[in-house]
Amino acid sequence: AQKITQTQPGMFVQEKEAVTLDCTYDTSDPSYGLFWYKQPSSGEMIFLIYQGSYDQQNATEGRYSLNFQKARKSANLVISASQLGDSAMYFCAMREFLSGSARQLTFGSGTQLTVLP
Amino acid sequence: KAGVTQTPRYLIKTRGQQVTLSCSPISGHRSVSWYQQTPGQGLQFLFEYFSETQRNKGNFPGRFSGRQFSNSRSEMNVSTLELGDSALYLCASSFWVGDEKLFFGSGTQLSVL
Repeated sequence: AQKITQTQPGMFVQEKEAVTLDCTYDTSDPSYGLFWYKQPSSGEMIFLIYQGSYDQQNATEGRYSLNFQKARKSANLVISASQLGDSAMYFCAMREFLSGSARQLTFGSGTQLTVLP
Repeated sequence: KAGVTQTPRYLIKTRGQQVTLSCSPISGHRSVSWYQQTPGQGLQFLFEYFSETQRNKGNFPGRFSGRQFSNSRSEMNVSTLELGDSALYLCASSFWVGDEKLFFGSGTQLSVL
């Protein structure tokens, strides 16, 4: 089974509107971390936001927030007030901590976001 | 402060050759991990190093190897290159394995002809 699923290959949003990028994950480990990265056409992966499985509150970083629904195993990224510079590929990723030992990041297939003027 | 630096930015090799890619982590970071990104397979984990020791390894053939030096800089080597090795190779660094702050470099784009 896929550990990270991003069901939206492409998304369009109007400038200044909010957009939600979906991510669901699969793990049986109680300890894990969820990441969102942005990859512009230049190729660099830019860290956006992190949510730990034990964090009680949803993570926020500026215009980015993570809608963490543990029971549903979803970790959707919400971008408020979209800007043209937000156009990029967005990846959801998970790191499991199996028996207390950190494992590697597992990435989803990504969502290509295009912000329209 | 300087980010993760990967060199070279672009590489063109032919089948059968070998290649070495370099990654300099953010100052103070001791964990370095490597990922391969292709259009077909997406992002796949290669290996992770901390304090010169390999901590995690992905499912890649033995032609892919890596190492980390005492200054935390890391190299990965691919021997006997195949066409399918054409990919963007990304390096990421963090203070320790499992750190939530994981930062990537711009990658090395390898083309195998």
